[in-house]
Amino acid sequence: GENVEQHPSTLSVQEGDSAVIKCTYSDSASNYFPWYKQELGKRPQLIIDIRSNVGEKKDQRIAVTLNKTAKHFSLHITETQPEDSAVYFCAASRTGNQFYFGTGTSLTVIP
Amino acid sequence: DVKVTQSSRYLVKRTGEKVFLECVQDMDHENMFWYRQDPGLGLRLIYFSYDVKMKEKGDIPEGYSVSREKKERFSLILESASTNQTSMYLCASSGGLQETQYFGPGTRLLVL
Repeated sequence: GENVEQHPSTLSVQEGDSAVIKCTYSDSASNYFPWYKQELGKRPQLIIDIRSNVGEKKDQRIAVTLNKTAKHFSLHITETQPEDSAVYFCAASRTGNQFYFGTGTSLTVIP
Repeated sequence: DVKVTQSSRYLVKRTGEKVFLECVQDMDHENMFWYRQDPGLGLRLIYFSYDVKMKEKGDIPEGYSVSREKKERFSLILESASTNQTSMYLCASSGGLQETQYFGPGTRLLVL
């Protein structure tokens, strides 16, 4: 099956700085890569996703990049705010198959 | 607005008890999933179902079974609870296997 590795496991940044979380995957057939945000005590929620026919996708302060050759994808958060503090999970999936999640990154934005 | 609900937020059970965790979604989604979430291990898939009465094993099905008698409801069963099944259990549903998964609020299970 697919193996998704996520780094770092914890990340602290000053408010206003950027945060980058990286994931690698093993199955070259994976073609869908969502990112979920889980605030403390709450359920995971999708924040952005990317499919393998696209190299980058942006949504306001959040962007995801995908490098299919190297089999890695990254989440970029710019101008971080305290409400960005949460655990972020990446995942990978290939057509018709389940998601494989990374182990999560706990992001703390320091005011 | 998609709504996924789970029968309990917190549950305390004794070793050897049979435990039922229920999940209900109101979006007529085909697919439903059960995950367990443990610190440092992320979300691990236990079972998923792509149709009524259909089920597929995930990565860690041992010690668990599932039931999907109706489209909106997906139950996770611990036949004989053990202490290593103490965890957060998350249910999710999606309209397709590569579509957004909507998660329930989670059930924190403690097995004594």
